[in-house]
Amino acid sequence: AQKITQTQPGMFVQEKEAVTLDCTYDTSDQSYGLFWYKQPSSGEMIFLIYQGSYDEQNATEGRYSLNFQKARKSANLVISASQLGDSAMYFCAMRDGNRDDKIIFGKGTRLHILP
Amino acid sequence: GAGVSQSPRYKVTKRGQDVALRCDPISGHVSLYWYRQALGQGPEFLTYFNYEAQQDKSGLPNDRFSAERPEGSISTLTIQRTEQRDSAMYRCASSLGGGAPDTQYFGPGTRLTVL
Repeated sequence: AQKITQTQPGMFVQEKEAVTLDCTYDTSDQSYGLFWYKQPSSGEMIFLIYQGSYDEQNATEGRYSLNFQKARKSANLVISASQLGDSAMYFCAMRDGNRDDKIIFGKGTRLHILP
Repeated sequence: GAGVSQSPRYKVTKRGQDVALRCDPISGHVSLYWYRQALGQGPEFLTYFNYEAQQDKSGLPNDRFSAERPEGSISTLTIQRTEQRDSAMYRCASSLGGGAPDTQYFGPGTRLTVL
């Protein structure tokens, strides 16, 4: 069965520093997709970045990049030059690439950016 | 509309009452998903539709939960004879459907409280 593991319940980072949020996954499928979502205190779920299992390059979206290490089944999110507005809950998620259905979410990491 | 909308945003009901939660997906999105999110946890899949067809309802907890999308657009999640354990945030998401990444975009959610 598919599984997402986020081992950091909470993190405190100084503003302007880079931060890495850990995510490991487990699947027997060869084709799958990995996502990161941000959930600020307002409660909305904001899509940040996507990585396909066959993508050779790590995905990047502005200050967000996904450090994809397929052999280690790792999909860490890197936020460069952190800002106070980055304080939020971050969820790593995965979907079987052969099916257009559910996304499996991890338990999340709560990130606090300190001024 | 510009994004996924859900109504009501908040619902307080007494145990034993039925509730209906509504989701209006992004215009043109084929796929629609329902998730439930407990406090401090990631969303958990309930069910999803392609157009009006319910493709997977494996995440519905029991037969008190049902969903429909009769015209392939707006969807309703119904919970009959509510129980206190049904209290949670219920989230709807939609996607274009077909082909990676097929990113799911989430609505603001309905916070259900069963007294």
